[in-house]
Formats: sequence, structure tokens, C-alpha cells
Amino acid sequence: QVQLVQSGAEVKKPGASVKVSCKTSGYTFTTYHIHWVRQAPGQGLEWMGWINSANGNTKYSQKFHDRVSFSRDTSATTAYMELSGLKSEDSAIYYCARVALENWFDPWGQGALVTVSS
Amino acid sequence: SYVLTQSPSVSVAPGQTARITCGGDNIRSKSVHWYQQKPGQAPILVLYDDADRPSGIPERFSGSNSGNTATLTISRVEAGDEADYYCQVWESSSDLEIFGGGTKLTVL
Repeated sequence: QVQLVQSGAEVKKPGASVKVSCKTSGYTFTTYHIHWVRQAPGQGLEWMGWINSANGNTKYSQKFHDRVSFSRDTSATTAYMELSGLKSEDSAIYYCARVALENWFDPWGQGALVTVSS
Repeated sequence: SYVLTQSPSVSVAPGQTARITCGGDNIRSKSVHWYQQKPGQAPILVLYDDADRPSGIPERFSGSNSGNTATLTISRVEAGDEADYYCQVWESSSDLEIFGGGTKLTVL
């Protein structure tokens, strides 16, 4: 079955960077985009952008475009999200999700908790 | 930018019907997708393309999309349906994914 398994929780200091991985299995990695969505504590879902798993092209939400970078390793069928210049407001659960051409998100990774604290 | 508006909360007794709405300008021209998120869990897709159910989603979950409102309807609500529900669309003009703010469904 299709699975997206994310890396574990991270605690970072303000100004640092964090890199979250999303290991996929159960489908052909290069035929779907991977999107990233975050959820601050008690808040809703916030879309961050996507990476084209086939060619590495990316699209970033304007809110994050200068601090976020998506990458992928096709041989490892894994996508990555790196967020730099961390602030306390970046404390959140970061999800990856496989997205079809028709733009629905299915399935989602289990989420990776990132805590930014001095 | 395009905005999706959801009521913060909906309450319904077991066995009754819950209707969760998602408002957006001419939303009927877009495909709306719905997600269920239970506490401490990742979201799961419950409806796509306004009204289609992924495999494993009960027939009790249905959807519609007309005018400026898309609706997720849950019939014969069960305690296990208690969750946050989010609508989502793709805004083609800007190539952005948009999520609604979420609705908390409480089963009384």
C-alpha cells in the first residue's frame, strides 16, 4: 500500500535550519508531486508548496519562498523539506502528502513535529 | 487571493445528519476536496472532486458543490466521526492550493 513515512521530531534554536524527510513506498515515486503542509498548534492547515518528483521543479507559497527549499532523491524515493531562519512561530507539525494531477492530497505522512525554542 | 470560509464548529447528535459548509467565490467552478483530521492524527481524504469517495470511506459521507458553497454531508453521524474537517481547492490562476480554516464536528 502507499505509505509516506516522515522523520522524527526536532527541536531547534531560533535562526537554525531544519530538514524533514518523507520516505515514500508503494507507488512509482516520479509519477506524483509531493506537497508540504504545516499545522501550528491548535491551528488549521497551511500549504507550503510542492516538488515535482520527476524533474525536481518546485513551487513555493509566497509566505515561505525565501526560507524553504524542497528536494528529492529519486533513488531513495524520498522527498525533503528544509526550512531556514527558524522562528518560534515555525513551531508546528510538518506534513508531506502525495498529490494527484487532480490536486487532492492522498495519502499524508504521519507528520513531523518541529519545535523552535531557545 | 482566493479564500475558503468554514464555520468553526458544528454539533450534532448521534444518528442525525451533519452538514459542513465551505464558502468561496463561485466555488462551483472548482473541484473541492475534503479531509478529516482526528486529534493527534494526520488528515485523511474523505471526498474528492466535490462528491467522490475514496475506497474505505463510508457511503454516509457525501458532498455537493453549487454557487458559492460546497457542502460535506455526514448521514447517521457516529461518535467516531468527531473530528476537524477541512475543505481544499486548487486556485488555477495562481497555481496555489487553498485550505479552509476547518470545522470542528462535535457529536453530542
